Amino acid sequence: AQKITQTQPGMFVQEKEAVTLDCTYDTSDPSYGLFWYKQPSSGEMIFLIYQGSYDQQNATEGRYSLNFQKARKSANLVISASQLGDSAMYFCAMREGPSYGNAGNMLTFGGGTRLMVKP
Amino acid sequence: DAGVTQSPTHLIKTRGQQVTLRCSPKSGHDTVSWYQQALGQGPQFIFQYYEEEERQRGNFPDRFSGHQFPNYSSELNVNALLLGDSALYLCASSSGDSYNEQFFGPGTRLTVL
Repeated sequence: AQKITQTQPGMFVQEKEAVTLDCTYDTSDPSYGLFWYKQPSSGEMIFLIYQGSYDQQNATEGRYSLNFQKARKSANLVISASQLGDSAMYFCAMREGPSYGNAGNMLTFGGGTRLMVKP
Repeated sequence: DAGVTQSPTHLIKTRGQQVTLRCSPKSGHDTVSWYQQALGQGPQFIFQYYEEEERQRGNFPDRFSGHQFPNYSSELNVNALLLGDSALYLCASSSGDSYNEQFFGPGTRLTVL
């Protein structure tokens, strides 16, 4: 089974509107972390936001927020007030295991969603 | 504060050749991971180095090998290149004290002809 599923290959949003990018995950580990990255056409993966499995509140970073629904195993990214510069690929990723220590912290990525912001 | 750096930016090789890619982690980070991203796909984990040893490995053949130096920088070596090795190779760094952040470098785009 896919560990990270992003069901929206591409999405359009009007400038200044909010958009939600979907991500569902699959793990049996009680300790895990969820990441969202933005990848512009230049190729660099830009870290946006992180949510730990034990975090009680949804993570927020500026215009980015993570809608974490643990029982549904979903971790959707919400971008408010979209800007033209938000046009890029967006990847959801998961680390299984604790957030520190010697176990390592490999990430498993989804297939990504291409977001296009219309002026 | 320099972020993660990678070299070279682009590389063209022919089948059967060998290639070495380099990565310097973000200041304060001691763990380096390598990912392969084929066109149109999400990154795939190759391996991770910590304290100069390979700590985790993804589902990649032995043609992919690596090294970490005492200053935490790392190399990725690929032998006997195949056309399918053409991809963007991304390096990520993190700290063993907290896995809540992993920062990526700009990547090396490898083309195998």
